[in-house]
Amino acid sequence: NAGVMQNPRHLVRRRGQEARLRCSPMKGHSHVYWYRQLPEEGLKFMVYLQKENIIDESGMPKERFSAEFPKEGPSILRIQQVVRGDSAAYFCASSRGESEKLFFGSGTQLSVL
Amino acid sequence: AQRVTQPEKLLSVFKGAPVELKCNYSYSGSPELFWYVQYSRQRLQLLLRHISRESIKGFTADLNKGETSFHLKKPFAQEEDSAMYYCALGKAAGNKLTFGGGTRVLVKP
Repeated sequence: NAGVMQNPRHLVRRRGQEARLRCSPMKGHSHVYWYRQLPEEGLKFMVYLQKENIIDESGMPKERFSAEFPKEGPSILRIQQVVRGDSAAYFCASSRGESEKLFFGSGTQLSVL
Repeated sequence: AQRVTQPEKLLSVFKGAPVELKCNYSYSGSPELFWYVQYSRQRLQLLLRHISRESIKGFTADLNKGETSFHLKKPFAQEEDSAMYYCALGKAAGNKLTFGGGTRVLVKP
């Protein structure tokens, strides 16, 4: 089992462009979480998804950010019209069940120029 | 509102010395507390959770509801314990966690 796979590892975007971050959960895991880590801070919850459903998006900024976890394929975190403040490490985690052990990916470092 | 505070950003100890990482939380319900660790160039991984009441790699943590604390302790630190440690708070169900800012532990030979 390869673990939670995130790509790309590093993503550079200019202000105004779109960023797409991908996360493939561990095999057999249907619960996916996205967290964001700003420099010098802890991880902050963004969104919790199950296959084809957004369960909790209370940590998502109201505009420009969206997430999906389709029936087939990876979960996608999409950031439209990126700004410098979006520069951060974005971590995906998955679990088999709602309260079961969480496994983290290596993260995507987004840099906005 | 949920909050987790790790007051020390950096903890430097000598090999064989005790190490204690402080974690305080605020939460109105029944909390579930975790310690996560990230070794150099590795992924964030679960170290221990309070409901398991277990010792992992010599580390223990006791939930003190009166002091709202969940400090992580190890009596004899090893060089391989050098890492970033995060305290996290969750509800009884679910993996929506609130993380502290992290403490970097450096164990010197």
